[in-house]
Amino acid sequence: QQQVKQSPQSLIVQKGGISIINCAYENTAFDYFPWYQQFPGKGPALLIAIRPDVSEKKEGRFTISFNKSAKQFSLHIMDSQPGDSATYFCAARGTSGSRLTFGEGTQLTVNP
Amino acid sequence: DSGVTQTPKHLITATGQRVTLRCSPRSGDLSVYWYQQSLDQGLQFLIQYYNGEERAKGNILERFSAQQFPDLHSELNLSSLELGDSALYFCASSGVGALNTEAFFGQGTRLTVV
Repeated sequence: QQQVKQSPQSLIVQKGGISIINCAYENTAFDYFPWYQQFPGKGPALLIAIRPDVSEKKEGRFTISFNKSAKQFSLHIMDSQPGDSATYFCAARGTSGSRLTFGEGTQLTVNP
Repeated sequence: DSGVTQTPKHLITATGQRVTLRCSPRSGDLSVYWYQQSLDQGLQFLIQYYNGEERAKGNILERFSAQQFPDLHSELNLSSLELGDSALYFCASSGVGALNTEAFFGQGTRLTVV
């Protein structure tokens, strides 16, 4: 019930293309869904987050789509750039202050 | 800069030894979380402290322990180290309440056991 499933494990996209990463969860008590970006040797950095009362949130080139009934959410990176090449983790959390449960991660490579 | 400070950045030690990793949370954050990230693995939750008290425990080995001090910094103690303990160890902190929900991660401590 605490798991978050993430796919794909790796993704290669051409510059200017759209990168899409998907996550699914089981625990209906989750109410906060962030995405983290991690570069090699660095700590995960919060990218964008959403709560289940909205179906979409957009910040610049990054968009989260959320489907509460399907218990799925996804990250879309528009106009992908080589600098976006990193590992992306989705996560979920229940009550405020509780720990994050992370997906397995997606290694994104954006080719020039 | 996330505001979460971890020391040391790198640590190389021998099997059977004991090490202490340190984390200073963002100013005002009461919660500290420890995560382990092995090679090609995701982020595995180890333990959470809130204002000095243990709040949640994850996949933490009995050889590992942690504590949070009155000044809110936290230490993760790893003992009887094995080769398989080699990993990146991350600390994260967060506040409380609806406006302080984000967890911010430090840069991590890379532990190599030889």
